[in-house]
Amino acid sequence: DIVMTQTPLSSPVTLGQPASISCRSSQSLVHSDGNTYLSWFQQRPGQPPRLLIYKISDRFSGVPDRFSGSGAGTDFTLKISRVEAEDVGVYYCTQATQFPLFGQGTKVEIK
Amino acid sequence: QVQLVQSGDEVKKPGASVKVSCKASGYTFTDYGISWVRQAPGQGLEWMGWISAHNGDTKYAQNLQGRVTMTTDTSTTTAYMELRSLRSDDTAMYYCARDRGLWLQPRLFDYWGQGALVTVSS
Repeated sequence: DIVMTQTPLSSPVTLGQPASISCRSSQSLVHSDGNTYLSWFQQRPGQPPRLLIYKISDRFSGVPDRFSGSGAGTDFTLKISRVEAEDVGVYYCTQATQFPLFGQGTKVEIK
Repeated sequence: QVQLVQSGDEVKKPGASVKVSCKASGYTFTDYGISWVRQAPGQGLEWMGWISAHNGDTKYAQNLQGRVTMTTDTSTTTAYMELRSLRSDDTAMYYCARDRGLWLQPRLFDYWGQGALVTVSS
């Protein structure tokens, strides 16, 4: 099975400051079609997950540009350039081609 | 706009069955599939299975094989997930998410339902 490892598991951040979450996969996520199907989801408290980023760095419709994704192969990063109060929640990295799909989640909270 | 609206919360006794619905709108239902994902209280996300709304093909998580059935009704653009022989560790929020129409395509999960809490308790 592929293992998705997120660090840190908890990230206390100051409003207006940047935040970064790392995701490492135990195997390369490059698909046979040449794309890398690594996504990031945000789950605010009491809400369903919401797609933020797909294919490493493409922002989904309506996602603020303070969210950005980067990486390649087995190492990926989600960055929030300036954290806002509404960004509090759990963030999951997800690969779309092998099971299990989801990372264990990183909790972002305000200091 | 794409919307997935799920049925309400349920309380069931151990051994019973539950059937959760997911009404889709705002897109061509049969061009996509639906995956079901559950989340136990305070835990992470667990993929349960997938169904193609085009042809009804299904794939289930190995640990749920034999207890779960996913179906669709294209006339009402609704997907259903039935889980049988419920146990206390099936207590979770159950989500539907729009997915690819073909199994061999990478998973999508671009739109999610609001969730349905299933509580299993004697």
